[in-house]
Amino acid sequence: DAGITQSPRHKVTETGTPVTLRCHQTENHRYMYWYRQDPGHGLRLIHYSYGVKDTDKGEVSDGYSVSRSKTEDFLLTLESATSSQTSVYFCAITSERGGRVNEQFFGPGTRLTVL
Amino acid sequence: GQNIDQPTEMTATEGAIVQINCTYQTSGFNGLFWYQQHAGEAPTFLSYNVLDGLEEKGRFSSFLSRSKGYSYLLLKELQMKDSASYLCAVRAVADYKLSFGAGTTVTVRA
Repeated sequence: DAGITQSPRHKVTETGTPVTLRCHQTENHRYMYWYRQDPGHGLRLIHYSYGVKDTDKGEVSDGYSVSRSKTEDFLLTLESATSSQTSVYFCAITSERGGRVNEQFFGPGTRLTVL
Repeated sequence: GQNIDQPTEMTATEGAIVQINCTYQTSGFNGLFWYQQHAGEAPTFLSYNVLDGLEEKGRFSSFLSRSKGYSYLLLKELQMKDSASYLCAVRAVADYKLSFGAGTTVTVRA
């Protein structure tokens, strides 16, 4: 599982409240990603990071911000949650093992419901 | 932008073979991945193709044609546990970002 954990695993919140999701990895991976998964859309990239304090936007970044102050932690913040942000959020890392594959491994996911 | 298409659903019988097609139009190509995702779980890596041809791994095989922007995942000797969603993903450039198709839900019936 590449040592990836996500917290919380489930959260219910109200519209307009800020929410922070945490992704933690124990294997010193450089690249980390946040995706959301919705029926009919598959996985869509929100933000990604290629090192401490190095982050960039993905295809659906509006309403989200991220921070990476330590290699092991990548935080996703919904600044003011909306019902359209109800989704399952997955964190992922790229495994750079010296070969050409360098596949992504995913955390267990966080199910977020915004009422 | 990236455009990746795969069928929404497929149904097959236990012991049979199913082929899941994926077509892509991306700005650049640095590899195509297949992931398996069981309901309520995280995606798990199945296969990777970067050169044309067939990659075989047990009951699963994946094929790539770069000139056609086409790949397929072949599942042989289907088992009930193969009921899952199968995600096609393309890595366009060497920064490791993936673009995913919407996924194909495969249902295996007895």
